[in-house]
Amino acid sequence: DTGVSQDPRHKITKRGQNVTFRCDPISEHNRLYWYRQTLGQGPEFLTYFQNEAQLEKSRLLSDRFSAERPKGSFSTLEIQRTEQGDSAMYLCASSSRTGDPYEQYFGPGTRLTVT
Amino acid sequence: SQQGEEDPQALSIQEGENATMNCSYKTSINNLQWYRQNSGRGLVHLILIRSNEREKHSGRLRVTLDTSKKSSSLLITASRAADTASYFCATDAGLTGGGNKLTFGTGTQLKVEL
Repeated sequence: DTGVSQDPRHKITKRGQNVTFRCDPISEHNRLYWYRQTLGQGPEFLTYFQNEAQLEKSRLLSDRFSAERPKGSFSTLEIQRTEQGDSAMYLCASSSRTGDPYEQYFGPGTRLTVT
Repeated sequence: SQQGEEDPQALSIQEGENATMNCSYKTSINNLQWYRQNSGRGLVHLILIRSNEREKHSGRLRVTLDTSKKSSSLLITASRAADTASYFCATDAGLTGGGNKLTFGTGTQLKVEL
């Protein structure tokens, strides 16, 4: 069973550096989501793709954040000029247009620590 | 921002007991979902209840939804040590193109002791 995978699982970076995370959704899923989760809180929605189109972005996604899904398969989330407040778990999820469209399948997350 | 809050924030019970956690939310919803998160398996979907449903069962899980009070409850019966995890409710308001934006609560940390 190939679930949602994310890479890397952990990233430690210095403030001001750029980082990029990758998400590989379940292969037949055309919908892809990014969430951010800080310690002791639930995940917060960042952005949503249907195929390669980015259809929704949260106000949490500042100008330093950019997400892409160039061929409608994997997605990348880049954070430029990282700040300590960016330290969090970044979760990717995917869902299918057919079958049960409401259930989202989450990856294991990328834990970012900005020092 | 978080859509709602779970209550209690933490719950400790003995194996075999039932666990009840509650969720309140603020806006209209299409459906409400419950997820479980632990370090071993990440965030896993448990059950979904639509806005026109009042109760739903799945195995040892029972979910209720009261849209007039904007609240939901999750009951886990005959708890097991393996149920130890954080439980989140998530409301779904729908997105352009048919996707669903989940807004999670703050979570209940459940500990089931042997």
